[in-house]
Amino acid sequence: QVQLQESGPGLVQPSQTLSLTCTVSAGSISGSGFYWSWIRQPAGKGLECIGRIYASGSTNYNSSLKSRVTISVDTSKNQFSLRLTSVTAADTAVYYCARVSSSWRHFDYWGQGILVTVSS
Amino acid sequence: EVVLTQSPATLSLSPGERATLSCRASQTVSNLAWYQQRPGRAPRLLIYDASTRATGIPARFSGGGSGADFTLTISSLEPEDFAVYYCQQQTSWYTFGQGTKLEIK
Repeated sequence: QVQLQESGPGLVQPSQTLSLTCTVSAGSISGSGFYWSWIRQPAGKGLECIGRIYASGSTNYNSSLKSRVTISVDTSKNQFSLRLTSVTAADTAVYYCARVSSSWRHFDYWGQGILVTVSS
Repeated sequence: EVVLTQSPATLSLSPGERATLSCRASQTVSNLAWYQQRPGRAPRLLIYDASTRATGIPARFSGGGSGADFTLTISSLEPEDFAVYYCQQQTSWYTFGQGTKLEIK
């Protein structure tokens, strides 16, 4: 069964760049036919899809975050990553990585999530 | 952007009772999924394509609806079912409802 694990700093200073990595195990990113996604959830609030990436490197981003987001993939390490620039307190959230299903319509496997706090 | 509105915000029921959760879209959507989220845990896929149960999901969970109105039904609540439930669609982009908290009465 596919497993995903987020990693990265839990604290980022305002105006800096948030960087997270998702490591995929028991399944290959390369040639898998799946998209891989980042989703976030502020404390006590709902879920927001940040963007998705295909193994080829093709990306799609949430229009509300597009100017600040980059998602990349490293197939040799079976990882994909998130960069979010110019962060503010509003970016404080639990960040999840997830696999988009084969139909590209929903998210079938999720990481456990990582809390990132934006604060000085 | 498609907005999903879930109701009620909170549902108070007892174990063994039937739960019906609603999700209404701001426009017709082509697909809908439901997730369960327990405190401190990642969301878990329950239902996709409006009515198909995900792998390993008990038969007491069922989904229905089409167009812009969808429901998630739990036929007889077990103690582990008390959690927050989210609906999600992907028409132009992925959006989620704000959630329904199912709490023990």
